[in-house]
Amino acid sequence: GQNIDQPTEMTATEGAIVQINCTYQTSGFNGLFWYQQHAGEAPTFLSYNVLDGLEEKGRFSSFLSRSKGYSYLLLKELQMKDSASYLCAVNGDKLIFGTGTRLQVFP
Amino acid sequence: DSGVTQTPKHLITATGQRVTLRCSPRSGDLSVYWYQQSLDQGLQFLIQYYNGEERAKGNILERFSAQQFPDLHSELNLSSLELGDSALYFCASSNSGRDNEQFFGPGTRLTVL
Repeated sequence: GQNIDQPTEMTATEGAIVQINCTYQTSGFNGLFWYQQHAGEAPTFLSYNVLDGLEEKGRFSSFLSRSKGYSYLLLKELQMKDSASYLCAVNGDKLIFGTGTRLQVFP
Repeated sequence: DSGVTQTPKHLITATGQRVTLRCSPRSGDLSVYWYQQSLDQGLQFLIQYYNGEERAKGNILERFSAQQFPDLHSELNLSSLELGDSALYFCASSNSGRDNEQFFGPGTRLTVL
């Protein structure tokens, strides 16, 4: 079957670093998306990994290991506005989203 | 503002009814995607259209249908509505296939009573 797993909730402190993991088992693999979604709002694109390795974009980085079916999103220098849900999605034979990780950043 | 527009913002209707949700993609984007997001199921991909043709199908029920018109706007039709269809429906667009960043509209919140 097809499955995407990510933690349901995480908490962290302002200024800290947090890593949100995503493991997947899917039919086919073309790439993996990370989206950020604030409560009641639309998802916004963060990254798309196709090849293995780390991609950095400012305070956010995303890592992919295709052989392990594993990705993580790394958020540095956390700010209060980073409190949101983070969605992992695999672009395989179908586009499948995980249920999201709700991150709460505390002062 | 992503450039994707959706109407209406809110829709309240009764079980058994039929509704149409509308989406206008960003200027120049050929692909339109529809998603359903409910509290217990997360974001579910429903269907994708590319330049008027169906490109990919996800977990779309037979009671639901969609189309993309020559001007590239898209409509999602939901019929024989059930209580469980209450959800946020998002439309997204991209300039080509699924390997591109998708820009999401603000969503339509559907409540079925």
